[in-house]
Amino acid sequence: GENVEQHPSTLSVQEGDSAVIKCTYSDSASNYFPWYKQELGKGPQLIIDIRSNVGEKKDQRIAVTLNKTAKHFSLHITETQPEDSAVYFCAASGGGGGSNYKLTFGKGTLLTVNP
Amino acid sequence: DGGITQSPKYLFRKEGQNVTLSCEQNLNHDAMYWYRQDPGQGLRLIYYSQIVNDFQKGDIAEGYSVSREKKESFPLTVTSAQKNPTAFYLCASSVVGGETQYFGPGTRLLVL
Repeated sequence: GENVEQHPSTLSVQEGDSAVIKCTYSDSASNYFPWYKQELGKGPQLIIDIRSNVGEKKDQRIAVTLNKTAKHFSLHITETQPEDSAVYFCAASGGGGGSNYKLTFGKGTLLTVNP
Repeated sequence: DGGITQSPKYLFRKEGQNVTLSCEQNLNHDAMYWYRQDPGQGLRLIYYSQIVNDFQKGDIAEGYSVSREKKESFPLTVTSAQKNPTAFYLCASSVVGGETQYFGPGTRLLVL
């Protein structure tokens, strides 16, 4: 089955700096890669996603890049703000074996933005 | 106001007791999912359902049961067979064949 590795597990940045979180996946058939933000005690919220037919997608201060050859994708947050502090999860789906419904998650990155 | 609701927010289970977590959605989604989240871990799939009256086991179904009698509702029962039930439980939904899943606010289950 699919395996998703996420790094780093914790990330601390100064307000205004950029933050980058990286994920790798194992199933070359995976074709959908969402990123979720989870605040303490709440459910994850989708912040951006990318499909395998594009290499990059941007939404204001957030961007995601995908390298299908290397099987890795990254989340980039620019001009970080204290409210960006949360746990971020990457996920992958669309793999083979009839499991195209299933999201496999990384273990998360705790991002802390220091004022 | 469309979305996914989960209740209760906190639930306490006594040893040997079955407890049921509620999940309701008004997004008109056909597919619904239950995940378990442990500290420092990603989300692990317990059960999923793509249509009413049908559901499949996920990666960690042992000790859990579900039903899907209505499109809007997908309750999860944590049975006494689940020896380590303390966790944060998340319900999600999506359109059938759609990869994008939307999550509820979660239920935290604690053992007394």
